[in-house]
Amino acid sequence: DAKTTQPPSMDCAEGRAANLPCNHSTISGNEYVYWYRQIHSQGPQYIIHGLKNNETNEMASLIITEDRKSSTLILPHATLRDTAVYYCIAVTAEKTSYDKVIFGPGTSLSVIP
Amino acid sequence: GAVVSQHPSWVICKSGTSVKIECRSLDFQATTMFWYRQFPKQSLMLMATSNEGSKATYEQGVEKDKFLINHASLTLSTLTVTSAHPEDSSFYICSASQVTEAFFGQGTRLTVV
Repeated sequence: DAKTTQPPSMDCAEGRAANLPCNHSTISGNEYVYWYRQIHSQGPQYIIHGLKNNETNEMASLIITEDRKSSTLILPHATLRDTAVYYCIAVTAEKTSYDKVIFGPGTSLSVIP
Repeated sequence: GAVVSQHPSWVICKSGTSVKIECRSLDFQATTMFWYRQFPKQSLMLMATSNEGSKATYEQGVEKDKFLINHASLTLSTLTVTSAHPEDSSFYICSASQVTEAFFGQGTRLTVV
């Protein structure tokens, strides 16, 4: 799986949009970009994933560059509950199976009142 | 979304004893489950891939005789930490995949005294 690079930490003011960048310059054509987050002492929580098109769900938006070498996770209106470590991962996801997920250090997001 | 449940959420055991952690997929069948370990302020580290009906695949450096994995059914995988020592104290997390998404358990906090 392609290696991803994220800033180790970020701050965001409550109510503002949090934009979390991720570089994955060696991503291959069949690798998806997945985002998970982990709130302290809990298991990781799925946020969103995409292949090459931008994606949006009730939690966040995912913007993937046209060359797929980087992406940005956007939390439109950050709340204190969004304080967590966010992991960007490139993983092969076939039709009926799922490759193992290898976590990097992630970005520790602190939402500040 | 799909739910993965771990039991127990936390456990304290004496050095030299064995501890079993259960991981269940509650509303879907999982032919593959994954076990992770996480030390304080570190990212999740993949320990092994649990395959239903066959032997687990361990990551390099993980002792298979110490961390016994059994995946006897499509909804249950167990991790047994044998002859636990204080250095085995950690946060253990399992995940199960369904099509193109991985779901994580809430984690088990193991403390060996």
